[in-house]
Amino acid sequence: EVQLVESGGGLVKPGGSLRLSCAASGFSFTNAWMTWVRQAPGKGLEWVGRIKTETEGGTTDYAAPVKGRFTISRDDSKNTLYLQMNSLKTEDTAVYYCTAPRGAARLSWFDPWGQGTLVTVSS
Amino acid sequence: QSALTQPASVSGSPGQSITISCTGTSNDVGFYNLVSWYQQHPGKAPKVMIYEVTKRPSGVSNRFSGSKSGNTASLTISGLQADDEADYYCCSYALSSTLYVFGTGTKVTVL
Repeated sequence: EVQLVESGGGLVKPGGSLRLSCAASGFSFTNAWMTWVRQAPGKGLEWVGRIKTETEGGTTDYAAPVKGRFTISRDDSKNTLYLQMNSLKTEDTAVYYCTAPRGAARLSWFDPWGQGTLVTVSS
Repeated sequence: QSALTQPASVSGSPGQSITISCTGTSNDVGFYNLVSWYQQHPGKAPKVMIYEVTKRPSGVSNRFSGSKSGNTASLTISGLQADDEADYYCCSYALSSTLYVFGTGTKVTVL
């Protein structure tokens, strides 16, 4: 069964840091590009960033609101994706999902999705 | 990069058809045939319903169909059923440093 399981969410103060993890199983994680998407409470979905395979240099891309503060990494030996979040702001409060881009040149759609992990940034 | 524009809500009776629009720009929806649609029930993760504008993943009902004209993509749900009541989001790959842009979301209500 293809599965993604996020963990590491919680309450953190503004300016603080948090690292999220996403454990993958049931598919070839090594060959997969991976992506983080977030959803603020009661709001829509927002793309956060992606990482390509290690074979492709593990290249990363980020959305403008998080660039320079968030870092995506992967450990293929553990089939795990990470999201290191620094200098957190209240507007980063959201459920964070990991997912995999699929289809044409791996640019087309996102599937599967994890269940999400809630990050709350508040003093 | 602004979010794609969707109507906040759409409703219909069981058995009817509804259409949700998704309006972007010539830098996203209008440039690429890389529009996908996601269904999200409360408290659940999104689920892909349509990809590459018109394609349906295996297991998704053929009551769901997609199309595009210019900078606007559309999702049509025919034979509306109670379980179709959910939030729906479009998404497009974009000519931008923010590679993907999602829609504002549409709440579908089955009357």
